[in-house]
Amino acid sequence: NAGVMQNPRHLVRRRGQEARLRCSPMKGHSHVYWYRQLPEEGLKFMVYLQKENIIDESGMPKERFSAEFPKEGPSILRIQQVVRGDSAAYFCASFPGLAGSDTQYFGPGTRLTVL
Amino acid sequence: AQSVTQLDSQVPVFEEAPVELRCNYSSSVSVYLFWYVQYPNQGLQLLLKYLSGSTLVKGINGFEAEFNKSQTSFHLRKPSVHISDTAEYFCAVSASAGKSTFGDGTTLTVKP
Repeated sequence: NAGVMQNPRHLVRRRGQEARLRCSPMKGHSHVYWYRQLPEEGLKFMVYLQKENIIDESGMPKERFSAEFPKEGPSILRIQQVVRGDSAAYFCASFPGLAGSDTQYFGPGTRLTVL
Repeated sequence: AQSVTQLDSQVPVFEEAPVELRCNYSSSVSVYLFWYVQYPNQGLQLLLKYLSGSTLVKGINGFEAEFNKSQTSFHLRKPSVHISDTAEYFCAVSASAGKSTFGDGTTLTVKP
């Protein structure tokens, strides 16, 4: 997972605040996936983005959550009006998006704690 | 749609003993299969992957896995574990570029 950057690594928010999680993919990768890992569980797919496009958001809650991957800059996962149930580790995975490519590269994650 | 079942949530084992972590999957299409390791408070590191070809796949840290299409399994094995192998292990499947479905994980605890 070297090369995929996520920040902050740890984020504490009070209920009702906003959380912004950032992911910078590996150099040359134009695709990003976001996953959420609740305590004692595996990773659950949230959203798949290509630069300036949302390809698949089938795993993202319909309210309060949004994601973007602008032409310049990192991908951002935004959670509005956080609740305690949003406490989790959020991982992004970088993907080259080239034909024949098959491996995602994971970042170190952002651990969100909602008080 | 795909699903992954990791049959053991916790596997305790003594150092230098062999270990097998079991993974079964279901999918209506051909899939890629992966095993990842996660150390406490860290991200996921790819151990090995099966795409096609030989059903026995060798990965890093002495791990290997065997793809069994008829049993839809992809069990992870290591002949002799070390204390440093203590971690969470995740099996994952992917039917298309990138997007993966993960199992709930198996906690491997290696005891001295």
